[in-house]
Amino acid sequence: EPEVTQTPSHQVTQMGQEVILRCVPISNHLYFYWYRQILGQKVEFLVSFYNNEISEKSEIFDDQFSVERPDGSNFTLKIRSTKLEDSAMYFCASSPTYENEAFFGQGTRLTVV
Amino acid sequence: AQKITQTQPGMFVQEKEAVTLDCTYDTSDQSYGLFWYKQPSSGEMIFLIYQGSYDEQNATEGRYSLNFQKARKSANLVISASQLGDSAMYFCAMRGVSGGSYIPTFGRGTSLIVHP
Repeated sequence: EPEVTQTPSHQVTQMGQEVILRCVPISNHLYFYWYRQILGQKVEFLVSFYNNEISEKSEIFDDQFSVERPDGSNFTLKIRSTKLEDSAMYFCASSPTYENEAFFGQGTRLTVV
Repeated sequence: AQKITQTQPGMFVQEKEAVTLDCTYDTSDQSYGLFWYKQPSSGEMIFLIYQGSYDEQNATEGRYSLNFQKARKSANLVISASQLGDSAMYFCAMRGVSGGSYIPTFGRGTSLIVHP
């Protein structure tokens, strides 16, 4: 069964460093998303991506964040100059259309020290 | 704007019993979708079940069923014959077209613990 794949599963980084979180969405899906979940808290939307451009973004998704689809399969989230409060689980998700359910990857647990 | 409310922060159920997890929503959209996800302690988000707002029948997927009451704007998840492996966080979510946004919106989740 096709699935969304995220790498790495766990990333530890020093405050101020840049991190890139990677995702391979399901191949025939057109809509891609990044969410984050601070430990024990709600799932927060960051950004959606469609047709090779950002379609929507939340207030959380400021200039510190960027997304790219560098090739036909990968979808990346870059966090520049990480802060302690960026520590969270980051989920990539994809869906075939805007109406369908989003399928999530297993998440990348980011720890900023 | 869309809003999802899950009023039960935690639920307990005996193994093999049924349990209902509550979800109410608010939207001005005429057409929308409702979803439930399971998040075990390992952290991944697992899609469980989907209900479209125009679906006349309640969705079912194995032991999961969605009790959809459109007039009351509720979409409760029913898990029949609970198993120990059902212990997890459960999130209700919806998506529709609200102000041009299709973004899935999540509730705060309900923690389910299944006792042997």
